[in-house]
Amino acid sequence: QQPVQSPQAVILREGEDAVINCSSSKALYSVHWYRQKHGEAPVFLMILLKGGEQKGHEKISASFNEKKQQSSLYLTASQLSYSGTYFCGTEFGNEKLTFGTGTRLTIIP
Amino acid sequence: DGGITQSPKYLFRKEGQNVTLSCEQNLNHDAMYWYRQDPGQGLRLIYYSQIVNDFQKGDIAEGYSVSREKKESFPLTVTSAQKNPTAFYLCASSPSGPAYEQYFGPGTRLTVT
Repeated sequence: QQPVQSPQAVILREGEDAVINCSSSKALYSVHWYRQKHGEAPVFLMILLKGGEQKGHEKISASFNEKKQQSSLYLTASQLSYSGTYFCGTEFGNEKLTFGTGTRLTIIP
Repeated sequence: DGGITQSPKYLFRKEGQNVTLSCEQNLNHDAMYWYRQDPGQGLRLIYYSQIVNDFQKGDIAEGYSVSREKKESFPLTVTSAQKNPTAFYLCASSPSGPAYEQYFGPGTRLTVT
């Protein structure tokens, strides 16, 4: 039941855009997105609760396609500070999150 | 300041010893969680508690035990039965309900030799 994230890793030049996908084999109640820097705790980015819901956070936004059981995270005009590993956490109505294996994002100047 | 504290940051133990990791929160959150993270891996749920004096097993509970005697505290014991205990352990808390983010502590890196 672990969600599948793609790609596993991506390298961008500063200012480029990226999309990270998270797919589940089971119907989702909500999707959470976190970013983790090496050796640190994950930091919350956003939660999506409804199908079709889109949310934005500075230049980072996300969508949730309930029918396709997937969510996508969009990073536009990437900055060096966006580097890290991005995790989606899927929740099926029991308040328990199952995290994907992560997407490592590297931004180079 | 409100937050979650975990101690210690680094912990070294000999194989065969039990070890207890501390997690305290002053956010007045009902729910608390323990995750394990291995290099290059995602977070895997060990145990979680949605209310005091109650807790449930997560996906990898074997070899671990927890208690929830106080709302603010959720210690995790790594027992000698855990075959591969070396990992980064993260504690988190959240208000009850699926609509809330989880707040993570800084983590404890446990090394067992």
